[in-house]
Amino acid sequence: SQQGEEDPQALSIQEGENATMNCSYKTSINNLQWYRQNSGRGLVHLILIRSNEREKHSGRLRVTLDTSKKSSSLLITASRAADTASYFCATDDDSGAGSYQLTFGKGTKLSVIP
Amino acid sequence: KAGVTQTPRYLIKTRGQQVTLSCSPISGHRSVSWYQQTPGQGLQFLFEYFSETQRNKGNFPGRFSGRQFSNSRSEMNVSTLELGDSALYLCASSLGYGGDNEQFFGPGTRLTVL
Repeated sequence: SQQGEEDPQALSIQEGENATMNCSYKTSINNLQWYRQNSGRGLVHLILIRSNEREKHSGRLRVTLDTSKKSSSLLITASRAADTASYFCATDDDSGAGSYQLTFGKGTKLSVIP
Repeated sequence: KAGVTQTPRYLIKTRGQQVTLSCSPISGHRSVSWYQQTPGQGLQFLFEYFSETQRNKGNFPGRFSGRQFSNSRSEMNVSTLELGDSALYLCASSLGYGGDNEQFFGPGTRLTVL
């Protein structure tokens, strides 16, 4: 089952602009991760934010988490053509056996136009 | 360190056949997870292995199975292939198991079922 839902499904911006992607989820989580996938390739981990954190930065990336609204956002500042990719949020989903698995959303497809 | 490797990268099979995919994790990683990615369903969790034991299993039929060896390498097998099994199969490794571990993904195996 899909836990996270990204919004928008697709986003097209000019190089140098900021890109914001949102993720909403349904159940309580311990942490939320963001991944990037270039066309047809494996995913690359970007950032992990824990449920007791509200904001986290990594280079040009800024992630926020609002557990009361069950939502997260990923901001990419000063975008580059190389940022063109699909971005996924992933939440840990309590599978009920005392351990967890990652559940991915369907992703936001970002196109950065040079 | 070498990244996660998956073999083969591309595979074409016909309905009813079976297939085995292989994944070699990053050295020192003991957890291997498998995902199926399709345009319609997105990324779906198949199973996770840690220290040769299956820790989690997604909602897939019994035709999908896997195993992990003592060197942490993992294989997944799909028997009696169906057209709907055409997908990108991604393997990811991590140090530990569970949703709070950063996962390192391989490039995937593109399976086409005719």
